[in-house]
Amino acid sequence: EVVMTQSPLSLPVTLGQPASISCRSSQSLLYRDGNTFLHWFQQRPGQSPRRLIYQVSKRDSGVPDRFSGSGSGTDFTLKISRVEAEDVGVYYCMQATNWPATFGQGTRLEIK
Amino acid sequence: EVQLLESGGGLVQRGVSLRLSCEASGFTFSNYAMIWVRQAPGKGLEFVSSIGPSGGSKIYADSVKGRVTISRDNSRNTLYVQINTLSTDDTAVYYCMTDPNWNNAYWGQGTLVTVSS
Repeated sequence: EVVMTQSPLSLPVTLGQPASISCRSSQSLLYRDGNTFLHWFQQRPGQSPRRLIYQVSKRDSGVPDRFSGSGSGTDFTLKISRVEAEDVGVYYCMQATNWPATFGQGTRLEIK
Repeated sequence: EVQLLESGGGLVQRGVSLRLSCEASGFTFSNYAMIWVRQAPGKGLEFVSSIGPSGGSKIYADSVKGRVTISRDNSRNTLYVQINTLSTDDTAVYYCMTDPNWNNAYWGQGTLVTVSS
């Protein structure tokens, strides 16, 4: 089973400032077809999760362009260029290259 | 509009079995692999099981292997998961989700399972 490790686990950010979350996997997430099935999810308080970014860097429909994803192999990053109040919640990375799929522990973003 | 509606949760005693359902609408259900994810109170997300579009390719998390069976009925656009010999560690909100690797990914609102000791 692939272990996903996120950091930091808690992220206090000032409104309008950038934020960055790291996600590392215990083995490469590059699939034999050339795709990398590393995704990012946001869970706002009291809500179901929703996917923000899929396959490392593709934004889901309706996701603001202040969210971006990058990385390759075993190291990945989710960046928010300017944090807004609605971004408060927990962010999870998930790998679905090697099954069973696995999630990171989650990073709680809060406003300072 | 895409909808995933989970049901079947509730308060149950340790040791019993439970079957959860996820009814899908608004998309071609039979084209999608589906997964179950759970979230214990105050904890993170945990993959439970997945199933291919036609009902094959079933995968289970080690934590539930042997106690959980995933299935689907494409004629009813419904996904199921049966959990046997429930323990307090199974207390969680159970979500169904479409294949996370596709261009679109959808989640349900979840159904809460509480196992009493």
